[in-house]
Amino acid sequence: NAGVTQTPKFQVLKTGQSMTLQCAQDMNHNSMYWYRQDPGMGLRLIYYSASEGTTDKGEVPNGYNVSRLNKREFSLRLESAAPSQTSVYFCASIPWGGGENTEAFFGQGTRLTVV
Amino acid sequence: GESVGLHLPTLSVQEGDNSIINCAYSNSASDYFIWYKQESGKGPQFIIDIRSNMDKRQGQRVTVLLNKTVKHLSLQIAATQPGDSAVYFCAVHTGGFKTIFGAGTRLFVKA
Repeated sequence: NAGVTQTPKFQVLKTGQSMTLQCAQDMNHNSMYWYRQDPGMGLRLIYYSASEGTTDKGEVPNGYNVSRLNKREFSLRLESAAPSQTSVYFCASIPWGGGENTEAFFGQGTRLTVV
Repeated sequence: GESVGLHLPTLSVQEGDNSIINCAYSNSASDYFIWYKQESGKGPQFIIDIRSNMDKRQGQRVTVLLNKTVKHLSLQIAATQPGDSAVYFCAVHTGGFKTIFGAGTRLFVKA
Protein backbone atom coordinates (compact mmCIF):
# COMPACT_ATOMS: atom_id res chain seq x y z
CA ASN A 1 0.00 0.00 0.00
CA ALA A 2 1.24 3.49 -0.84
CA GLY A 3 -0.42 5.21 2.14
CA VAL A 4 -0.77 8.94 1.45
CA THR A 5 0.56 10.17 -1.87
CA GLN A 6 1.07 13.83 -2.71
CA THR A 7 1.86 15.36 -6.06
CA PRO A 8 3.87 17.25 -7.05
CA LYS A 9 6.83 17.02 -4.66
CA PHE A 10 8.25 20.38 -5.72
CA GLN A 11 6.72 23.39 -7.45
CA VAL A 12 7.77 26.94 -8.24
CA LEU A 13 5.04 29.43 -9.08
CA LYS A 14 5.02 33.05 -10.07
CA THR A 15 2.91 35.43 -8.03
CA GLY A 16 -0.66 35.32 -9.27
CA GLN A 17 -0.45 31.87 -10.83
CA SER A 18 -2.82 29.14 -9.76
CA MET A 19 -2.23 25.47 -9.08
CA THR A 20 -3.75 22.44 -7.43
CA LEU A 21 -1.95 20.14 -5.01
CA GLN A 22 -3.17 16.58 -5.22
CA CYS A 23 -3.48 14.09 -2.38
CA ALA A 24 -4.71 10.51 -2.42
CA GLN A 25 -4.89 7.84 0.29
CA ASP A 26 -5.50 4.13 -0.17
CA MET A 27 -6.26 3.26 3.47
CA ASN A 28 -10.01 3.86 3.29
CA HIS A 29 -9.74 6.62 5.88
CA ASN A 30 -12.68 8.90 6.48
CA SER A 31 -10.91 12.16 7.27
CA MET A 32 -8.30 14.04 5.28
CA TYR A 33 -6.32 17.19 6.09
CA TRP A 34 -4.09 19.82 4.55
CA TYR A 35 -1.36 21.41 6.67
CA ARG A 36 1.35 23.90 5.88
CA GLN A 37 4.71 23.95 7.60
CA ASP A 38 6.81 27.08 7.66
CA PRO A 39 10.40 27.20 8.99
CA GLY A 40 10.50 27.28 12.78
CA MET A 41 6.80 26.62 13.09
CA GLY A 42 4.59 23.64 13.62
CA LEU A 43 2.06 22.34 11.16
CA ARG A 44 -0.89 24.67 10.73
CA LEU A 45 -4.19 23.30 9.58
CA ILE A 46 -5.49 24.87 6.36
CA TYR A 47 -8.61 22.82 5.61
CA TYR A 48 -9.93 19.43 6.51
CA SER A 49 -12.58 17.01 5.37
CA ALA A 50 -14.14 14.96 8.13
CA SER A 51 -15.81 12.67 5.63
CA GLU A 52 -16.55 12.40 1.94
CA GLY A 53 -18.73 15.33 0.89
CA THR A 54 -17.74 17.70 3.70
CA THR A 55 -14.98 20.28 4.05
CA ASP A 56 -14.22 22.77 6.81
CA LYS A 57 -11.80 25.61 7.43
CA GLY A 58 -8.82 25.13 9.69
CA GLU A 59 -6.53 27.73 11.27
CA VAL A 60 -5.22 29.38 8.07
CA PRO A 61 -7.72 28.92 5.20
CA ASN A 62 -7.37 32.29 3.46
CA GLY A 63 -6.07 32.03 -0.10
CA TYR A 64 -6.92 28.34 -0.43
CA ASN A 65 -9.80 26.17 -1.58
CA VAL A 66 -10.26 22.43 -1.29
CA SER A 67 -12.21 19.67 -2.94
CA ARG A 68 -12.96 16.24 -1.50
CA LEU A 69 -13.35 14.54 -4.83
CA ASN A 70 -14.16 11.13 -3.36
CA LYS A 71 -13.14 9.16 -0.29
CA ARG A 72 -9.59 8.72 -1.61
CA GLU A 73 -8.76 12.18 -2.90
CA PHE A 74 -8.53 15.63 -1.32
CA SER A 75 -7.06 18.47 -3.36
CA LEU A 76 -5.84 21.91 -2.32
CA ARG A 77 -6.05 24.82 -4.74
CA LEU A 78 -4.25 28.12 -4.73
CA GLU A 79 -6.22 30.45 -6.98
CA SER A 80 -3.71 33.32 -7.03
CA ALA A 81 -0.43 32.37 -5.42
CA ALA A 82 1.35 34.85 -3.16
CA PRO A 83 4.92 34.76 -1.75
CA SER A 84 3.41 34.28 1.73
CA GLN A 85 2.20 30.89 0.55
CA THR A 86 5.75 29.65 0.11
CA SER A 87 5.80 26.65 2.42
CA VAL A 88 5.87 22.89 2.65
CA TYR A 89 2.39 21.43 2.35
CA PHE A 90 1.43 18.15 3.95
CA CYS A 91 -1.64 16.08 3.36
CA ALA A 92 -2.75 13.66 6.07
CA SER A 93 -5.50 11.14 6.62
CA ILE A 94 -7.01 9.78 9.82
CA PRO A 95 -9.28 6.75 10.16
CA TRP A 96 -11.68 8.17 12.79
CA GLY A 97 -14.86 6.24 13.36
CA GLY A 98 -13.96 5.16 16.87
CA GLY A 99 -11.47 2.69 18.22
CA GLU A 100 -8.10 3.13 19.82
CA ASN A 101 -6.01 4.36 16.95
CA THR A 102 -6.57 7.85 15.60
CA GLU A 103 -3.07 8.77 14.53
CA ALA A 104 -2.57 10.80 11.36
CA PHE A 105 -0.78 9.35 8.36
CA PHE A 106 1.15 11.95 6.39
CA GLY A 107 2.30 12.25 2.84
CA GLN A 108 5.85 13.20 1.93
CA GLY A 109 5.01 16.86 1.43
CA THR A 110 4.98 19.36 -1.43
CA ARG A 111 7.59 22.08 -1.30
CA LEU A 112 6.06 25.17 -2.90
CA THR A 113 7.96 28.35 -3.70
CA VAL A 114 6.15 31.45 -4.92
CA VAL A 115 8.39 34.06 -6.52
CA GLY B 1 -8.19 29.31 20.82
CA GLU B 2 -6.03 26.25 21.15
CA SER B 3 -2.32 26.70 21.48
CA VAL B 4 0.40 24.18 21.92
CA GLY B 5 3.90 25.14 22.94
CA LEU B 6 7.25 23.52 23.42
CA HIS B 7 9.71 24.56 26.08
CA LEU B 8 12.91 24.10 24.10
CA PRO B 9 13.30 24.51 20.35
CA THR B 10 16.56 22.50 20.26
CA LEU B 11 17.79 19.66 22.43
CA SER B 12 21.26 18.14 22.18
CA VAL B 13 22.01 14.86 23.95
CA GLN B 14 24.84 12.37 24.05
CA GLU B 15 24.26 9.01 22.43
CA GLY B 16 23.07 6.57 25.04
CA ASP B 17 21.61 9.22 27.34
CA ASN B 18 17.89 9.66 27.91
CA SER B 19 16.06 12.52 26.16
CA ILE B 20 13.09 14.42 27.49
CA ILE B 21 11.03 16.65 25.22
CA ASN B 22 8.33 18.78 26.78
CA CYS B 23 5.07 20.22 25.51
CA ALA B 24 2.48 22.53 27.07
CA TYR B 25 -1.09 22.91 25.92
CA SER B 26 -3.76 25.40 26.85
CA ASN B 27 -7.15 23.75 26.47
CA SER B 28 -8.19 21.68 29.47
CA ALA B 29 -10.81 19.93 27.30
CA SER B 30 -8.09 18.31 25.18
CA ASP B 31 -8.64 14.58 25.18
CA TYR B 32 -6.02 12.97 22.97
CA PHE B 33 -2.32 13.67 22.61
CA ILE B 34 0.11 12.38 20.05
CA TRP B 35 3.84 12.62 19.53
CA TYR B 36 5.21 12.64 16.00
CA LYS B 37 8.74 12.37 14.67
CA GLN B 38 9.73 14.19 11.50
CA GLU B 39 12.95 13.34 9.74
CA SER B 40 14.45 15.71 7.21
CA GLY B 41 12.50 15.80 3.96
CA LYS B 42 9.73 13.53 5.23
CA GLY B 43 6.26 13.86 6.64
CA PRO B 44 5.67 13.41 10.38
CA GLN B 45 5.35 9.85 11.64
CA PHE B 46 3.43 8.63 14.65
CA ILE B 47 5.48 7.67 17.70
CA ILE B 48 3.11 7.25 20.61
CA ASP B 49 -0.20 8.57 21.85
CA ILE B 50 -2.03 8.96 25.13
CA ARG B 51 -5.61 9.69 26.07
CA SER B 52 -6.71 12.06 28.79
CA ASN B 53 -7.82 9.22 31.08
CA MET B 54 -4.20 8.07 31.37
CA ASP B 55 -1.10 9.71 32.82
CA LYS B 56 1.58 7.43 31.41
CA ARG B 57 2.03 5.20 28.41
CA GLN B 58 5.08 3.26 27.34
CA GLY B 59 6.23 2.07 23.97
CA GLN B 60 9.47 0.72 22.69
CA ARG B 61 12.16 3.01 24.23
CA VAL B 62 9.61 5.84 24.49
CA THR B 63 7.35 6.94 27.30
CA VAL B 64 4.77 9.69 27.26
CA LEU B 65 3.73 11.37 30.49
CA LEU B 66 0.62 13.50 30.78
CA ASN B 67 -0.01 15.95 33.60
CA LYS B 68 -3.50 17.34 33.13
CA THR B 69 -3.27 19.52 36.22
CA VAL B 70 -0.62 21.73 34.64
CA LYS B 71 -1.54 20.87 31.05
CA HIS B 72 1.84 19.43 30.21
CA LEU B 73 3.06 16.33 28.45
CA SER B 74 6.51 14.96 27.83
CA LEU B 75 8.17 12.43 25.59
CA GLN B 76 11.00 10.44 27.08
CA ILE B 77 13.36 8.53 24.80
CA ALA B 78 15.57 5.98 26.53
CA ALA B 79 19.12 5.30 25.38
CA THR B 80 18.96 7.89 22.61
CA GLN B 81 20.48 6.78 19.32
CA PRO B 82 21.74 8.74 16.29
CA GLY B 83 18.65 7.58 14.42
CA ASP B 84 16.52 9.49 16.91
CA SER B 85 17.82 12.80 15.54
CA ALA B 86 14.77 14.54 14.13
CA VAL B 87 12.13 17.16 14.92
CA TYR B 88 9.54 16.02 17.42
CA PHE B 89 6.04 17.47 17.51
CA CYS B 90 3.34 17.12 20.06
CA ALA B 91 -0.19 17.28 18.71
CA VAL B 92 -3.34 17.87 20.68
CA HIS B 93 -6.87 16.87 19.81
CA THR B 94 -9.81 18.64 21.41
CA GLY B 95 -13.01 17.10 20.18
CA GLY B 96 -14.29 17.41 16.64
CA PHE B 97 -11.83 16.65 13.89
CA LYS B 98 -9.08 19.20 14.47
CA THR B 99 -5.61 18.30 15.63
CA ILE B 100 -3.31 21.17 16.57
CA PHE B 101 0.46 20.78 16.35
CA GLY B 102 3.15 22.41 18.44
CA ALA B 103 6.15 24.20 16.93
CA GLY B 104 8.50 21.23 17.27
CA THR B 105 11.75 20.45 19.08
CA ARG B 106 14.82 19.52 17.10
CA LEU B 107 16.73 16.71 18.77
CA PHE B 108 20.45 16.37 18.03
CA VAL B 109 22.18 13.19 19.13
CA LYS B 110 25.94 13.48 19.57
CA ALA B 111 28.00 10.36 18.94
